[in-house]
Amino acid sequence: EAGVTQFPSHSVIEKGQTVTLRCDPISGHDNLYWYRRVMGKEIKFLLHFVKESKQDESGMPNNRFLAERTGGTYSTLKVQPAELEDSGVYFCASSLAGYPYEQYFGPGTRLTVT
Amino acid sequence: AQSVAQPEDQVNVAEGNPLTVKCTYSVSGNPYLFWYVQYPNRGLQFLLKYITGDNLVKGSYGFEAEFNKSQTSFHLKKPSALVSDSALYFCAVRGKSSGDKLTFGTGTRLAVRP
Repeated sequence: EAGVTQFPSHSVIEKGQTVTLRCDPISGHDNLYWYRRVMGKEIKFLLHFVKESKQDESGMPNNRFLAERTGGTYSTLKVQPAELEDSGVYFCASSLAGYPYEQYFGPGTRLTVT
Repeated sequence: AQSVAQPEDQVNVAEGNPLTVKCTYSVSGNPYLFWYVQYPNRGLQFLLKYITGDNLVKGSYGFEAEFNKSQTSFHLKKPSALVSDSALYFCAVRGKSSGDKLTFGTGTRLAVRP
């Protein structure tokens, strides 16, 4: 079974540019999550989709971040315009619905804003 | 608000010796607790979880963790460390009434010397 995949693995952009990160969850997982780890700090929750609906977006830092999940399958996270403090590793995770199933994480996208 | 503390940035242990990686948590109500491991250039891998029942839970690669409600701790243990266990370990908590989002600690780097 394929795991959670993320693209790109690395992205280097200049301040003010736009970047779109993509996540493909494990097939059959209704839950999809985005997290971010800023240099050396804890991994922080950004938002949670159930199928195509946003269940919880309490962790989104500001309106420069836009997440979508098309048809309940893959998800994109767009940062526009990017700021220096947006640099970090963005993780996507997915899980089955119901019972507190563990979340399976992708390898992450390392975003560097210069 | 829920939180996780991993008091040690790094734990050093000799191969063959027992290891402990500490984790304490704060959450309203009963917790769901998780341990994840991150190897270099890889995503987070699920190790084990506590949901309910037996306070000692066993997971992948010979790891186990003990839930202690009175001390609000969930320390990760292994009886005999391997060099290949060297990695970054994250403890995470999820409250039963706080949605699906995981709150992570800052991570503990485990270094096992031959």
